[in-house]
Amino acid sequence: DTGVSQNPRHKITKRGQNVTFRCDPISEHNRLYWYRQTLGQGPEFLTYFQNEAQLEKSRLLSDRFSAERPKGSFSTLEIQRTEQGDSAMYLCASIPWSNTGELFFGEGSRLTVL
Amino acid sequence: AQKITQTQPGMFVQEKEAVTLDCTYDTSDPSYGLFWYKQPSSGEMIFLIYQGSYDQQNATEGRYSLNFQKARKSANLVISASQLGDSAMYFCAMSLFGNEKLTFGTGTRLTIIP
Repeated sequence: DTGVSQNPRHKITKRGQNVTFRCDPISEHNRLYWYRQTLGQGPEFLTYFQNEAQLEKSRLLSDRFSAERPKGSFSTLEIQRTEQGDSAMYLCASIPWSNTGELFFGEGSRLTVL
Repeated sequence: AQKITQTQPGMFVQEKEAVTLDCTYDTSDPSYGLFWYKQPSSGEMIFLIYQGSYDQQNATEGRYSLNFQKARKSANLVISASQLGDSAMYFCAMSLFGNEKLTFGTGTRLTIIP
């Protein structure tokens, strides 16, 4: 049973560039979450999908951020016109329908904006 | 809104000793779940243990137990017989029933000393 996979694991970019992260959840997990974790902090909720529908977005998700899950399987998180404050670990998690609440996390994608 | 407080930024414990990681929470909702996650240097959040607000007994999972004191709104993690591999960040988190969105604390960095 493969776990949640995230790519790339590390991304270094210059301010103003666009970046995209991909998350492949555990197969048949219908719900998918994105979190952001900055240095010294716990993860903070960004957005949530049930199948292909984006059901909730945090106020942290500015209009430079967009997330999709086009076929209800993998998901992408795009950040446009990156800023230094976007530097963080972006974590993806998935959960099956029948689960009591335990999220299964990937290893994260670390973004550094220079 | 929910809030998780972890007051221990870092702890050092001798190998084979037991360790307690503190967590207090705040919510006005009576139906909630409490979680502990371990985050090693690789970045992945690993689920350790879960306690529901209506559970009468403290949760246990192998060497992990959760000391749930509802009146005090505390959910401390106890690790018995610590091992070198326990060195990691530990996060307490909570969610409301019917919503898996987790609210995390700031974490405790645990270092096991040989």
